[in-house]
Amino acid sequence: DQQVKQNSPSLSVQEGRISILNCDYTNSMFDYFLWYKKYPAEGPTFLISISSIKDKNEDGRFTVFLNKSAKHLSLHIVPSQPGDSAVYFCAASDGTASKLTFGTGTRLQVTL
Amino acid sequence: GAVVSQHPSWVICKSGTSVKIECRSLDFQATTMFWYRQFPKQSLMLMATSNEGSKATYEQGVEKDKFLINHASLTLSTLTVTSAHPEDSSFYICSGSKLGTLLNQPQHFGDGTRLSIL
Repeated sequence: DQQVKQNSPSLSVQEGRISILNCDYTNSMFDYFLWYKKYPAEGPTFLISISSIKDKNEDGRFTVFLNKSAKHLSLHIVPSQPGDSAVYFCAASDGTASKLTFGTGTRLQVTL
Repeated sequence: GAVVSQHPSWVICKSGTSVKIECRSLDFQATTMFWYRQFPKQSLMLMATSNEGSKATYEQGVEKDKFLINHASLTLSTLTVTSAHPEDSSFYICSGSKLGTLLNQPQHFGDGTRLSIL
């Protein structure tokens, strides 16, 4: 039972344009959401998070939007840069000892 | 800040061998550490959660006698894969979290260990 889903396994975006990565969840107990970036053979790197009491959080080029009624969150990267090419995982927690449930990942490729 | 070091990064060994993987938080105290496993092109699956000084909590389907976890200090956790077999070959990743200070602290991950059992 995949409680966190990223339905797009891959995404290609031109440099300078906006990248939008989507994530859906089914567990209504989730109240904290995170995005991680991962390169091959490395551990995930924390990017940005959002609590369920908010609907938007921004950090530089990265913005996360949360739509609780739709159980949907998205990560916007603008402008996209070639160095952003990686696999992006969304993750969710119900606050229980910060245990995370990860999505299946979306591979982003930013082209020149 | 919040650096997690994982060692070794790559292990190849014969079937039946036990393998120990170390996870260290270098610049923070990790009250809680997590161990994940990732198969190719799949998500990270949580194996167990360990709190310093207490027994690890294993996820359903994870054999605690197979995957021994020790979290003896606030900066070190180890995962020992006992009597490893080819089906244990995978990418193992640890993470640390600074619980007890602020709520919703993100987990910070090590670079992972690729385990190949021949």
